[in-house]
Amino acid sequence: QVQLQESGPGLVKPSQTLSLTCTVSGGSISSGSYYWSWIRQPAGKGLEWIGRIYTSGSTNYNPSLKSRVTISVDTSKNQFSLKLSSVTAADTAVYYCAREGPSHYYYMDVWGKGTTVSVSS
Amino acid sequence: DIQMTQSPSSLSASVGDRVTITCRTSQSISSYLNWYQQNPGKAPKLLIYAASILQSGVPSRFSGSESGTDFTLTISSLQPEDFATYYCQQSYSTPFTFGPGTKVDIK
Repeated sequence: QVQLQESGPGLVKPSQTLSLTCTVSGGSISSGSYYWSWIRQPAGKGLEWIGRIYTSGSTNYNPSLKSRVTISVDTSKNQFSLKLSSVTAADTAVYYCAREGPSHYYYMDVWGKGTTVSVSS
Repeated sequence: DIQMTQSPSSLSASVGDRVTITCRTSQSISSYLNWYQQNPGKAPKLLIYAASILQSGVPSRFSGSESGTDFTLTISSLQPEDFATYYCQQSYSTPFTFGPGTKVDIK
């Protein structure tokens, strides 16, 4: 079955750009009518939807982060990525990638295990 | 953004208890409501989507219902593995938003 795995630096300096990649295994990122999403969760807090991408490249972002977020997809590598610029301590969180779909109800049925990113000098 | 509230924020229950968690949305979202279970240090797990459809592999003791902008997750007979935090999420419009969570712990 489809599995997702996040990867990237666990420590990012303030004002720099956080970059994470989600690798999809067990299936093609291009097959089916799925969106591919990023969600984050600060320690001890709730979940925040960051944004998503369709394999066509179409994206939706959370307006609270929109000016700093870029989500891209590389179908040849079966990966999609998150870039969050100008990070501060408030961006410290566990970052999850997830699959949305396949129906128009856009539920997140497959999740990565999550990766912890700390923003600190 | 669509605002989500959940009640209670936490509850204590015993194995075998019937547990009900409520999620309320700030506007009508039809049935675009999903429920997730999260254990400490783990990713959320989809339980129910479209308000009442049980995800494949999820035990039938979990059920969901809706009434207007109120949505309910019910666990008919709480099992030891059900002690976790539960989140609702609306997928009606972006940005998708989650409720603040309900922590279910052992009485």
